[in-house]
Amino acid sequence: KAGVTQTPRYLIKTRGQQVTLSCSPISGHRSVSWYQQTPGQGLQFLFEYFSETQRNKGNFPGRFSGRQFSNSRSEMNVSTLELGDSALYLCASSLRGGTNTGELFFGEGSRLTVL
Amino acid sequence: GESVGLHLPTLSVQEGDNSIINCAYSNSASDYFIWYKQESGKGPQFIIDIRSNMDKRQGQRVTVLLNKTVKHLSLQIAATQPGDSAVYFCASNYPGTASKLTFGTGTRLQVTL
Repeated sequence: KAGVTQTPRYLIKTRGQQVTLSCSPISGHRSVSWYQQTPGQGLQFLFEYFSETQRNKGNFPGRFSGRQFSNSRSEMNVSTLELGDSALYLCASSLRGGTNTGELFFGEGSRLTVL
Repeated sequence: GESVGLHLPTLSVQEGDNSIINCAYSNSASDYFIWYKQESGKGPQFIIDIRSNMDKRQGQRVTVLLNKTVKHLSLQIAATQPGDSAVYFCASNYPGTASKLTFGTGTRLQVTL
């Protein structure tokens, strides 16, 4: 059974640009969550999608957005990139994303560097 | 708001010894706690979880202890092996937050031979 797949694994952008990251959840999983990981702030929740609807949102500016498609694949977009957006962006999937989030399976992340 | 913290950024243990990684949380409404392990270049991997109606839960070589009185949880790893070297995170959520986990800053476990 394939795990959570994130693309691209590495990318470099410059300030002001935008970026789109993709996540394919484990087959059958309907919930996809996104987290940002930085050395200074650690792992921070961005948002969660379930059945194409955003169900939860973290405390990030509106430059961070996401969506989920009917096949549960998800994308997140960051517009007007800032240096501080350099981070590892992790996607996690779960069957239904309920409170039993021990079933959260993470991908290996997309490492974004903003120059 | 919720915050989750760790007592030590780095823990060094000898192979074969037991490891104890500690974590404190601030939100008394937190009712679900998870420990994750993250190896270099990989995403976090689920280790063990515990609900607030339990004090202790055991897995294979791991035990999680929850003390709700002082809002503290710990992860115990028995007979630590080199493959246990990684960063360990505690995380929590509270009712209604689904997959919105609050993570601690992480403890790096170094296993020496």
